[in-house]
Amino acid sequence: DIQMTQSPSSLSASVGDRVTITCQASQDISDYLNWYQQKPGKAPKLLIYGASNLETGVPSRFSGSGSGTDFTFTIRSLQPEDIGTYSCQQYGNLPLTFGGGTKVGI
Amino acid sequence: EVQLVESGGGLAQPGGCLRLSCAASGFTFSTYSMNWVRQAPGQGLEWLSYIGSDNRRVYYADSVRGRFTISRDNAQNALYLQMNSLTVEDTAVYYCVRDENWQLIDWGQGTLVTVSS
Repeated sequence: DIQMTQSPSSLSASVGDRVTITCQASQDISDYLNWYQQKPGKAPKLLIYGASNLETGVPSRFSGSGSGTDFTFTIRSLQPEDIGTYSCQQYGNLPLTFGGGTKVGI
Repeated sequence: EVQLVESGGGLAQPGGCLRLSCAASGFTFSTYSMNWVRQAPGQGLEWLSYIGSDNRRVYYADSVRGRFTISRDNAQNALYLQMNSLTVEDTAVYYCVRDENWQLIDWGQGTLVTVSS
């Protein structure tokens, strides 16, 4: 199975800050990586697919980059409504696997 | 509007079984592959199973293969997960998820399964 190592596991930032989360795959997954946001008590929501493509309706302050084994997710200017847990997910091979999640607080 | 509504969760004893259902609406169910994903309390997400739109392709995570069975009824717009030989490690919120090219694009609200004696 492909292991997804996500860091940090949690962070606290101020409104307006730039926030960066990294995800490392245990083997090359090309750009087969998605990012999800999960607000407390809610289901996850797809934000970024194919490593860098913004899902329809997602604010442009969210972005993703990377390929191969190293990926980055960025919130350009953190907003209060961005509080939640962010997780990466690879689909380079089955089983689909997720990173451990990054809890973002303000 | 896409809606995925899970049901069938609840309390089960170790070794017992449950059948989860997911009622789908707001899209042409028969043209989309579907998944089950779970999240144990305070833990991350775990993919469990996939079923293709026409029932031909089915995949499972090692943790549930041989115990869980995914199925669908395209005429009823319904997805199912038959869970047998449950253990306390199966305690989690179970999500029904619509799939498009392995993007998990729409999620239900989840149903809680608690396995305890």
